[in-house]
Amino acid sequence: GEDVEQSLFLSVREGDSSVINCTYTDSSSTYLYWYKQEPGAGLQLLTYIFSNMDMKQDQRLTVLLNKKDKHLSLRIADTQTGDSAIYFCAETPVRGYNQGGKLIFGQGTELSVKP
Amino acid sequence: DVKVTQSSRYLVKRTGEKVFLECVQDMDHENMFWYRQDPGLGLRLIYFSYDVKMKEKGDIPEGYSVSREKKERFSLILESASTNQTSMYLCASSPRTSLEQYFGPGTRLTVT
Repeated sequence: GEDVEQSLFLSVREGDSSVINCTYTDSSSTYLYWYKQEPGAGLQLLTYIFSNMDMKQDQRLTVLLNKKDKHLSLRIADTQTGDSAIYFCAETPVRGYNQGGKLIFGQGTELSVKP
Repeated sequence: DVKVTQSSRYLVKRTGEKVFLECVQDMDHENMFWYRQDPGLGLRLIYFSYDVKMKEKGDIPEGYSVSREKKERFSLILESASTNQTSMYLCASSPRTSLEQYFGPGTRLTVT
């Protein structure tokens, strides 16, 4: 079945790079997503990558996709205290017609940035 | 700006009570979703709807039902609340042609 796995915690110092990892099982996923949840808030889309891409860069964020290993990572350069949040990886299950736009989310990685 | 609102931020109910969680979106989105979020388990899909009066079970529908009488509103119903339904409940919506979901702020429900 479909499954998305993430480690639960990551702690870094301010100014360092953070790398959050995710593995997924559905090789037919067309899009993979990173969502961010700040304390007390809902989730917000951070970035996404189409499955025919290996890398996507957006300012401080770099997404790497290894389709062979079904591994997705999010790198945050020059991590700031404001980046402290929970980061969720998500995939689109596209077996058949994905009516309703379902996403499958990972457990979320809590990033803690220490000054 | 897309706005998804949920009727309460915090709710405390007693075991056996019937609980209604309301979600409203103002962007004319076709798809709406209810998730619960628990530490270490991430988001789990309870129910979703891709059109008015349509509903589909997600991964953990037991103990819940939903109602979508109007396009903008998607209600989650706990027929008889139990302590294991204490959780954060998140509503989301998306347009038919997009897979990006827009989330509400969440309702933290405690069942005592």
